[in-house]
Amino acid sequence: GAVVSQHPSRVICKSGTSVKIECRSLDFQATTMFWYRQFPKQSLMLMATSNEGSKATYEQGVEKDKFLINHASLTLSTLTVTSAHPEDSSFYICSAREAMTGYAEAFFGQGTRLTVV
Amino acid sequence: EDKVVQSPLSLVVHEGDTVTLNCSYEVTNFRSLLWYKQEKKAPTFLFMLTSSGIEKKSGRLSSILDKKELFSILNITATQTGDSAVYLCAVTQGGSEKLVFGKGTKLTVNP
Repeated sequence: GAVVSQHPSRVICKSGTSVKIECRSLDFQATTMFWYRQFPKQSLMLMATSNEGSKATYEQGVEKDKFLINHASLTLSTLTVTSAHPEDSSFYICSAREAMTGYAEAFFGQGTRLTVV
Repeated sequence: EDKVVQSPLSLVVHEGDTVTLNCSYEVTNFRSLLWYKQEKKAPTFLFMLTSSGIEKKSGRLSSILDKKELFSILNITATQTGDSAVYLCAVTQGGSEKLVFGKGTKLTVNP
């Protein structure tokens, strides 16, 4: 299957700093990538849809100024958590689909465990 | 409101047992239903279902979709401890690339 690489897998940062998470599709082009957040023992919650060359579409309740998404190329999307606070500590996962017809499974990155201290 | 409901939320079985996980959905313009297995990190893809009544099978796992009754089941036969994971069901809709996830079923297989 297609490979999606997410980096870093784990990051610890101080309160008030910003953290950037990268999501790359390694062997296919992804015009759209998705960013999810997962709290312990809960399901994946979609934060935003990242569109190459245009602004991301954020889900209701997600602060776009806090979670900055950039989709600069067909293989790279980044999520920057700005001015991080302890409540931002979570597991962040990106995904991408290989084909845009909708009849294709989504592949996930390995996830990033963010801890804000 | 679109929703995906999985049941049970958690399940504990012994090795060798057969389990059935359920996923029901209420979404507009349904397109496909996907099953994922999530262990410690990101979900890994299991099946994608788009048509009713056609069973998809991979080893001891199988899944089927009923678009009339709006549900899917995931069967695991002869369970092993390595099957212990959270199993996620997700649905896609026409006109959108988003996956709408259920809360998952946590399966624990004891030796």
